[in-house]
Amino acid sequence: DVKVTQSSRYLVKRTGEKVFLECVQDMDHENMFWYRQDPGLGLRLIYFSYDVKMKEKGDIPEGYSVSREKKERFSLILESASTNQTSMYLCASSSSVPGPMRVDTEAFFGQGTRLTVV
Amino acid sequence: LAKTTQPISMDSYEGQEVNITCSHNNIATNDYITWYQQFPSQGPRFIIQGYKTKVTNEVASLFIPADRKSSTLSLPRVSLSDTAVYYCLVGGPYNQGGKLIFGQGTELSVKP
Repeated sequence: DVKVTQSSRYLVKRTGEKVFLECVQDMDHENMFWYRQDPGLGLRLIYFSYDVKMKEKGDIPEGYSVSREKKERFSLILESASTNQTSMYLCASSSSVPGPMRVDTEAFFGQGTRLTVV
Repeated sequence: LAKTTQPISMDSYEGQEVNITCSHNNIATNDYITWYQQFPSQGPRFIIQGYKTKVTNEVASLFIPADRKSSTLSLPRVSLSDTAVYYCLVGGPYNQGGKLIFGQGTELSVKP
């Protein structure tokens, strides 16, 4: 059974703290993603990575950084947590099928980390 | 990046067929169309993906006209457990600059 595991389900941090959200997938997927989800705003892409040590900014990268040192692990880092980063954070992974028109397969999501910054 | 437009919400009753249409006028040649379903407090789950014409699996059908500027997700005979948010995504391969971008989604409410 495929699995994307996020390190914490609930997290409470203080303003100004450095926060690490960890995501591990066991499917040998090339692509990994970090989103945040807020009421009325849907899922917004923060960063994604299509290979080890590769990263690309999503729509809202400000205040975040990422690390992908190993294929199975993609970390989201809040350099200095702020209250407006209180949100649900979702990690996902997917694979790519090479060919004349490269197709990316379905993305699998973790259960999410509900982060509260106080 | 192709933008998608879909209804904010829809209501249905158990046993009915539900069709959710998504507009993507600026879809690119390499883009494919994917639909996800999300229940409260869970991550989205893949439903179906297609490039053109019709695709069917055990959960849904996806209809894509020849111009590919829209697509319709069809859920046959919905039940209460189909109440969820449905997202239409359009995008290309990630290593070619494509991104997995979610829009606002359609909140489907199935009533008894």
